[in-house]
Amino acid sequence: AQTVTQSQPEMSVQEAETVTLSCTYDTSESDYYLFWYKQPPSRQMILVIRQEAYKQQNATENRFSVNFQKAAKSFSLKISDSQLGDAAMYFCAYRSAREGDMRFGAGTRLTVKP
Amino acid sequence: DTGVSQDPRHKITKRGQNVTFRCDPISEHNRLYWYRQTLGQGPEFLTYFQNEAQLEKSRLLSDRFSAERPKGSFSTLEIQRTEQGDSAMYLCASSLSAGPTDTQYFGPGTRLTVL
Repeated sequence: AQTVTQSQPEMSVQEAETVTLSCTYDTSESDYYLFWYKQPPSRQMILVIRQEAYKQQNATENRFSVNFQKAAKSFSLKISDSQLGDAAMYFCAYRSAREGDMRFGAGTRLTVKP
Repeated sequence: DTGVSQDPRHKITKRGQNVTFRCDPISEHNRLYWYRQTLGQGPEFLTYFQNEAQLEKSRLLSDRFSAERPKGSFSTLEIQRTEQGDSAMYLCASSLSAGPTDTQYFGPGTRLTVL
């Protein structure tokens, strides 16, 4: 079974600085997708960024980028120029290309200090 | 496009009662998913539909849980004989299975408290 591990329950970053959130996963499949979702307090889950496993190029969305290491089964999220609005729970998620359900990690709570 | 909506947003019930939640997906999305999220954890998959067909169910979905999507649009999730362990946030998501990533978009959730 596929599992997703986020080893950092909490992280903090100074406003305008850069922070990296870690995620590793376990799978025997070669075709899958990876996602980072953000869940602000008492608000709904929002997609931050996604990566197709068959693509070698790391995905980037404005201040958010990933470091996808397929062989190491690692998928970290880098947030540059952190803003107060980035404070939230961040969840890493895996989805097989063959199945519909996503597997989520336990999340990392990010605090942004002014 | 107003996004995924869920109703009610909060539900408090007594143990043993039945509850039903509704999810309205993004209008053109053919896939609809239900997840359960307990405090401090990531969402756990329960079940999903493609159009009106229920394609996958998790072992987490006991016999007390049933989900329907009768016309391929909105979906309902019913929990019978609720238990305190059912207290959680129930999340609905939808996607359009046309693209390679089949990205799921989430609703605000229904928070269930079983007393």
